[in-house]
Amino acid sequence: DAGITQSPRHKVTETGTPVTLRCHQTENHRYMYWYRQDPGHGLRLIHYSYGVKDTDKGEVSDGYSVSRSKTEDFLLTLESATSSQTSVYFCAISESLTSGGYTDTQYFGPGTRLTVL
Amino acid sequence: AQKVTQAQTEISVVEKEDVTLDCVYETRDTTYYLFWYKQPPSGELVFLIRRNSFDEQNEISGRYSWNFQKSTSSFNFTITASQVVDSAVYFCAPLPMHGSSNTGKLIFGQGTTLQVKP
Repeated sequence: DAGITQSPRHKVTETGTPVTLRCHQTENHRYMYWYRQDPGHGLRLIHYSYGVKDTDKGEVSDGYSVSRSKTEDFLLTLESATSSQTSVYFCAISESLTSGGYTDTQYFGPGTRLTVL
Repeated sequence: AQKVTQAQTEISVVEKEDVTLDCVYETRDTTYYLFWYKQPPSGELVFLIRRNSFDEQNEISGRYSWNFQKSTSSFNFTITASQVVDSAVYFCAPLPMHGSSNTGKLIFGQGTTLQVKP
């Protein structure tokens, strides 16, 4: 268990409203990721973080921003939600090693189901 | 460009049958990892296995086995004596490496839905 929680687990919102999803981990891992899952597309990377205040874009970053002010929290924000952002959002981490490196295996949180009406 | 293909969208078997899920990863990269994840009906993603592109030995873990053939770019997953609890969506996910750096960018296939009937 990589100690990953996501909140909220379900959210329904309206087009044009801002939405923030939170990913929280308890084990001080350096790398964190946000993915979205849509039918027919598998999972696609939105943004990832390789440390506090260090983030980079993934494959489908348009319309999303992220922030990481603490190691344990990685926030995903939809500044103005659109219906095309209706999806299941997964957070993931790569485990940090005591040697200072990390494993390449990503472990996933339980997911957040977001519906934009 | 890299491309991962899980050609089988859905597979249905009867319990105790063996089943193989196919994954083909087309890339010019010589170094990469390959992962399989399971997503049961409850929705969470469960890590199953990681292999690297230098290791073509088959791996067996209980009823699960994996066969990687670099020459054909295939990384197939076999469940022996399937059980109802194996019903899930299975994702193949390559991870390109650039030099010694991990890009962190898993590329997920579209997934294969496996239904195991009693």
